[in-house]
Amino acid sequence: QKEVEQNSGPLSVPEGAIASLNCTYSDRGSQSFFWYRQYSGKSPELIMSIYSNGDKEDGRFTAQLNKASQYVSLLIRDSQPSDSATYLCAVFNYQLIWGAGTKLIIKP
Amino acid sequence: EAQVTQNPRYLITVTGKKLTVTCSQNMNHEYMSWYRQDPGLGLRQIYYSMNVEVTDKGDVPEGYKVSRKEKRNFPLILESPSPNQTSLYFCASSLSGNQPQHFGDGTRLSIL
Repeated sequence: QKEVEQNSGPLSVPEGAIASLNCTYSDRGSQSFFWYRQYSGKSPELIMSIYSNGDKEDGRFTAQLNKASQYVSLLIRDSQPSDSATYLCAVFNYQLIWGAGTKLIIKP
Repeated sequence: EAQVTQNPRYLITVTGKKLTVTCSQNMNHEYMSWYRQDPGLGLRQIYYSMNVEVTDKGDVPEGYKVSRKEKRNFPLILESPSPNQTSLYFCASSLSGNQPQHFGDGTRLSIL
């Protein structure tokens, strides 16, 4: 059974700090990795995609992939209250498998 | 505007009354998928389609049917809805399975 694990949270982070979200996966052959943000009652929206080991930066967001250790993380710098949402990790190898999400709360 | 359109957005119906939720995308995407989302369970894939006339079961296909007769449309059919199918449903599409997915706004179904 392929699995993607995330800490459900909530993860509470002060405004302006770095939020660190983690995701582990069981399928060692996984090739594509995605982070989505979902506000309550809304549809998921793509934050980052990453396909190779290392870091990928986009504005305040950095995705980190370590295939040997089978984890992918998302860092959010200078966290804002508008970053408060549930963050979903998704991993693809022939099938897209989703984590249950981590609820992030940014406290002003 | 590139988008995935689901209809209806909200539906309250009764057990056993057949219903269809439509999904259409205007991005010429090959891959389309249906998910349901329940509190604490995250997104669970119901069915997906790699291309026209090609569909496959996801993790929770029981009680659902799909068809992919045209590239842009991927309707979800509940032949005999039951209360345990009350959920928030999302349709999504992407260029291929390993590419980021674009989601519709969701359909909230209540089966009484």
